[in-house]
Amino acid sequence: DIQMTQSPSSLSASVGDRVTITCQASHDISNSLNWYQQKPGEAPKLLIYDASNLETGVPSRFSGSGSETSFTFTIGSLQPEDFATYFCHQYDNLPPTFGPGTKVDVK
Amino acid sequence: QVQLQESGPGLVKPSQTLSLTCTVSGGSFRSNNFYWSWIRQPAGKGLEWIGRVYASGTTSYNPSLRSRVTISLDTSTIQFSLKLTSVTAADTAVYYCARDRVSELGSLVFDSWGQGTLVTVSS
Repeated sequence: DIQMTQSPSSLSASVGDRVTITCQASHDISNSLNWYQQKPGEAPKLLIYDASNLETGVPSRFSGSGSETSFTFTIGSLQPEDFATYFCHQYDNLPPTFGPGTKVDVK
Repeated sequence: QVQLQESGPGLVKPSQTLSLTCTVSGGSFRSNNFYWSWIRQPAGKGLEWIGRVYASGTTSYNPSLRSRVTISLDTSTIQFSLKLTSVTAADTAVYYCARDRVSELGSLVFDSWGQGTLVTVSS
């Protein structure tokens, strides 16, 4: 299985801050990397797919970059509704695997 | 817009079989552009993919669960189901059904999810 790691595991930030999360894959996954947001008690929501493509309807303050084994997710200006946990996810190889998540909370 | 809804018992006894159904509404169930997956999340932990089914009925499973899992679909009722045998407390989790969409690059993304259903394994 391809192992996904994320850093940091948690961070505290304020509204308006720029937030960056990194994700590493244990093997080359090309651009097959997706990012999800999950709020307590809710299902994950797809934000970014294929490393850098914004899902339809997702605000442009969310962005992603990277390839092969190293990826970055950025929230350009944190909004109150963005406090949540963010997961990276690879679907290049079966089984698809997820990162452990990064919890973004209020500073 | 597709919607998915899980249903099934919230409590299963150890050694028994966990059975869940996902009802799909809003179209696309028979499309060749999608797979249909089950994913679970133990409380406070990360996400684990269980397996998927294609419109043709072809399945793929996580090797860690393969010996205990069966996923099937019923196009007449627009549902797909999960059966997990010989459950233990370690199978206690929120279970999600999700749609896998083929992206422009040919990889897959989980673009629509059910709300999730908590299944507790306990006597």
